[in-house]
Amino acid sequence: QKEVEQDPGPLSVPEGAIVSLNCTYSNSAFQYFMWYRQYSRKGPELLMYTYSSGNKEDGRFTAQVDKSSKYISLFIRDSQPSDSATYLCAMSAGGGSNYKLTFGKGTLLTVNP
Amino acid sequence: GAGVSQTPSNKVTEKGKYVELRCDPISGHTALYWYRQSLGQGPEFLIYFQGTGAADDSGLPNDRFFAVRPEGSVSTLKIQRTERGDSAVYLCASSRVGTGAYFGPGTRLTVT
Repeated sequence: QKEVEQDPGPLSVPEGAIVSLNCTYSNSAFQYFMWYRQYSRKGPELLMYTYSSGNKEDGRFTAQVDKSSKYISLFIRDSQPSDSATYLCAMSAGGGSNYKLTFGKGTLLTVNP
Repeated sequence: GAGVSQTPSNKVTEKGKYVELRCDPISGHTALYWYRQSLGQGPEFLIYFQGTGAADDSGLPNDRFFAVRPEGSVSTLKIQRTERGDSAVYLCASSRVGTGAYFGPGTRLTVT
């Protein structure tokens, strides 16, 4: 079993839909949780950074962490064609700095106009 | 402000050759990371620097891979005797305490 599991999709939604992306993990030491967006042939772009359990909202994006279930989610509201990309979850045990991230495989999202 | 930069953006080399990949982190970021990403996979950890020293090099696949960060800023990933299996995108990232890691655009290495 991999430390971080992420459904690779692909996921296709119409413009304006709410998108839900998820990851599960097995390492209970993970405390820092991130979501990255990666466009084709580009480096990953940090979208959300959260510590421990709870919710964090930034514009159209909401990240949720449930450490008791070892489950994290990213919600995208009012999705746009420009959101079409691969979304990667990442996490670390890190001691205050972002250290040794473990990534999921990524979910390929397409938002259709 | 300027992000993480990596050079070259693409590198094609023959099997058995030596290559160097360079990373310029965001100014003021003390932590620097190298990851490797194969097609359809998430990035895999190679090595992590805190300042000038390698704090964790457990992800380096074998002794053909080596990385340095002599002045605590720019880093170079060095690969000796390249093999076709080394072909991948090599990503560099940097961070400071309390933030996520910011990635560069990557170097696409192709070993023929």
